[in-house]
Amino acid sequence: DVKVTQSSRYLVKRTGEKVFLECVQDMDHENMFWYRQDPGLGLRLIYFSYDVKMKEKGDIPEGYSVSREKKERFSLILESASTNQTSMYLCASNYPGTGRSSYNEQFFGPGTRLTVL
Amino acid sequence: SQQGEEDPQALSIQEGENATMNCSYKTSINNLQWYRQNSGRGLVHLILIRSNEREKHSGRLRVTLDTSKKSSSLLITASRAADTASYFCATDGGYGNKLVFGAGTILRVKS
Repeated sequence: DVKVTQSSRYLVKRTGEKVFLECVQDMDHENMFWYRQDPGLGLRLIYFSYDVKMKEKGDIPEGYSVSREKKERFSLILESASTNQTSMYLCASNYPGTGRSSYNEQFFGPGTRLTVL
Repeated sequence: SQQGEEDPQALSIQEGENATMNCSYKTSINNLQWYRQNSGRGLVHLILIRSNEREKHSGRLRVTLDTSKKSSSLLITASRAADTASYFCATDGGYGNKLVFGAGTILRVKS
């Protein structure tokens, strides 16, 4: 079974702190994703990585950075946490695939609920 | 930007009834997927339908896709209390690797 794990289920941080959210997958997936989920807004893509050291901005990258030094690990960094970054953060991974024949199901971790005070 | 939009936002039914959720999207796609999320947890993939398919079944799930209307529906038959969850559609928008998720439908099945 594919397993995607996230370092914390719940996290409470103070405004201005640097926050690291870690995600590890054990299926040798090339692609990894970070989303945030807010009520009524669904999932919004923050960053996407398609290979080690490669990254691409998603829809809402402002205030975030990412790091992918190893294939299995993708970190989301909040350089200076703010209260509007209080949210549920979800990590996902999958194999690359394009076109109609691709099967690009994403596998999700359990999520980290971050509260910034 | 959100591509998938689910309808209704929330649905409450009795156990044993069928639940239907709809999804509309805006651009061309290679495939459309449905995911389930139990309260406070990660998403779990349910089913994928390709753009050249019109209907697909998996257990109690039936998905239809109408590319001319840019819409899909998810039918859960003979619902159970354990089906209580949020359901999301996701499209690849032709991008291949990235998915765009809708805001989801919250389904509550009362026993």
